[in-house]
Amino acid sequence: DVKVTQSSRYLVKRTGEKVFLECVQDMDHENMFWYRQDPGLGLRLIYFSYDVKMKEKGDIPEGYSVSREKKERFSLILESASTNQTSMYLCASSPRTGNQPQHFGDGTRLSIL
Amino acid sequence: KQEVTQIPAALSVPEGENLVLNCSFTDSAIYNLQWFRQDPGKGLTSLLLIQSSQREQTSGRLNASLDKSSGRSTLYIAASQPGDSATYLCAVGSSNTGKLIFGQGTTLQVKP
Repeated sequence: DVKVTQSSRYLVKRTGEKVFLECVQDMDHENMFWYRQDPGLGLRLIYFSYDVKMKEKGDIPEGYSVSREKKERFSLILESASTNQTSMYLCASSPRTGNQPQHFGDGTRLSIL
Repeated sequence: KQEVTQIPAALSVPEGENLVLNCSFTDSAIYNLQWFRQDPGKGLTSLLLIQSSQREQTSGRLNASLDKSSGRSTLYIAASQPGDSATYLCAVGSSNTGKLIFGQGTTLQVKP
């Protein structure tokens, strides 16, 4: 079974801090994704990566950056955390071919105080 | 711009009922459509993926259909059980990049 592991289930940080969310997958998938999920807004794509060191902006990249130095690991970085970034963050991965399902981690519930 | 809508937002049924969840999308030029299940506080679990050339997919008590021309997909759940209680999301892939656009989900409660 594919396993996507997010480093923290719950995280509390302060406004202005630099925050790192880590995601690791164990199935050699080329594609990795970061979403945020908010009530009433659904899942929105922040960034995705289709290969090591490659990244593309999703629908809401402002205030975020990403890093993919190794194929299995995709990091989401909040450069200077703000209260409106309090959310559930979900990481997913899939093979390069588009007709394969995405596999999700259990999410990180991030609170910015 | 592709938009994905799921109606109703919530549904409550007694155990044993057969039920249908609906998903509609605005642009029929899709690559695939996926149905996911999400339990409270958890990530998403893939249920079914229908490629654009397919009309339906089945897995156990679940059957998903796709009608691109009308921009609709349905998820049929047979003989519902309390363990089916969850939020069900559909997502449309518009290209082979793997990117998905999600609906907001239908929260299903199956009462014993």
